[in-house]
Amino acid sequence: GAVVSQHPSRVICKSGTSVKIECRSLDFQATTMFWYRQFPKQSLMLMATSNEGSKATYEQGVEKDKFLINHASLTLSTLTVTSAHPEDSSFYICSAWTPYNEQFFGPGTRLTVL
Amino acid sequence: GQQLNQSPQSMFIQEGEDVSMNCTSSSIFNTWLWYKQDPGEGPVLLIALYKAGELTSNGRLTAQFGITRKDSFLNISASIPSDVGIYFCAGQRGGGATNKLIFGTGTLLAVQP
Repeated sequence: GAVVSQHPSRVICKSGTSVKIECRSLDFQATTMFWYRQFPKQSLMLMATSNEGSKATYEQGVEKDKFLINHASLTLSTLTVTSAHPEDSSFYICSAWTPYNEQFFGPGTRLTVL
Repeated sequence: GQQLNQSPQSMFIQEGEDVSMNCTSSSIFNTWLWYKQDPGEGPVLLIALYKAGELTSNGRLTAQFGITRKDSFLNISASIPSDVGIYFCAGQRGGGATNKLIFGTGTLLAVQP
């Protein structure tokens, strides 16, 4: 199947700092990527849809000024958690659609805010 | 956000047993997907279903797209220890990349050797 990577896999930061997470489609181009958040023992909750060359579409209740998304190329989307606080600690997962109408997920990024 | 109802919430079985889990929705979906997630990893696609009534197999896994388009089930036959993980269903209303997935609440599977 298609490969989606995320970097970093783990990040620990101090409260008030900003953290950038990258999502890359390695062997295909993706005009649309999605960002999810998953709390322990819970399901994936969609945060936003990232569209190449245009603004992201955020789900209800997700602060767009706090979770900045940039889809600068057909293989890269970034999620920046600004002024992170302990309640932002979570597992962040991205996904990307292939040209064959299949959605593949990245391995996730564990964010811990101290 | 919306979630699909998935049952059972967890299952603890012996190696070799068959497993069945299902997912229901109050609204119609045009695509049903089943994923498996290992701890600390992203979900991995197991089976995709695109047509009502469709029955699809992938090795020991079989999934069906319900006739009403409001449900789906996943069966695992002759379970083995590496089947351990969390299984999620996901539904999609429209086709194509702009249509987001709605995930189920997940089924935790534990297999005792």
